[in-house]
Amino acid sequence: DVKVTQSSRYLVKRTGEKVFLECVQDMDHENMFWYRQDPGLGLRLIYFSYDVKMKEKGDIPEGYSVSREKKERFSLILESASTNQTSMYLCASLEGTGGGTEAFFGQGTRLTVV
Amino acid sequence: GQSLEQPSEVTAVEGAIVQINCTYQTSGFYGLSWYQQHDGGAPTFLSYNALDGLEETGRFSSFLSRSDSYGYLLLQELQMKDSASYFCAVRVRYGQNFVFGPGTRLSVLP
Repeated sequence: DVKVTQSSRYLVKRTGEKVFLECVQDMDHENMFWYRQDPGLGLRLIYFSYDVKMKEKGDIPEGYSVSREKKERFSLILESASTNQTSMYLCASLEGTGGGTEAFFGQGTRLTVV
Repeated sequence: GQSLEQPSEVTAVEGAIVQINCTYQTSGFYGLSWYQQHDGGAPTFLSYNALDGLEETGRFSSFLSRSDSYGYLLLQELQMKDSASYFCAVRVRYGQNFVFGPGTRLSVLP
């Protein structure tokens, strides 16, 4: 059974804190993604990675960075959390090199910045 | 830029048929996907269309017209458990990036 696991379901952080969201997949997928989901806006892509140490900006990268040191792990970093980063964060993975059409999602991390 | 449009809400009764439309304007196009998300859950894959036409998977079907930049998800014999949000997503780069629509919340009434 394929699995994408996010380290936390709920997080509460203070403004200005550095926040790490972790995602691990067990499918040996090349591509991994971080989305944020807000009501009425759908899923918006923050960053994605198509290989170890490779990353590309998505539609809303400001205030975020990512790290992919190992194929199975993709981390999202909020350098200095702000209240407008309160959201649901979803990680996904996708088989690479054109073969994959089905993205697998984690359960999400609901982050509240106070 | 990239934009996808879907109706924000659709309501139907058990046993009925409902169609959720998606129109898109994207910088690239390699296929259209549909995902279902129940409240509090992760999005789960329903279908993918790379070519024009209708794809059927059980009670769900998905249609694509690339010339019209349009697709739809058709749900037949609606059940209460189909109440969820449905997202269309365009694959804008081969093998990689998907752009998601805002989602359509489907409510199935008894």
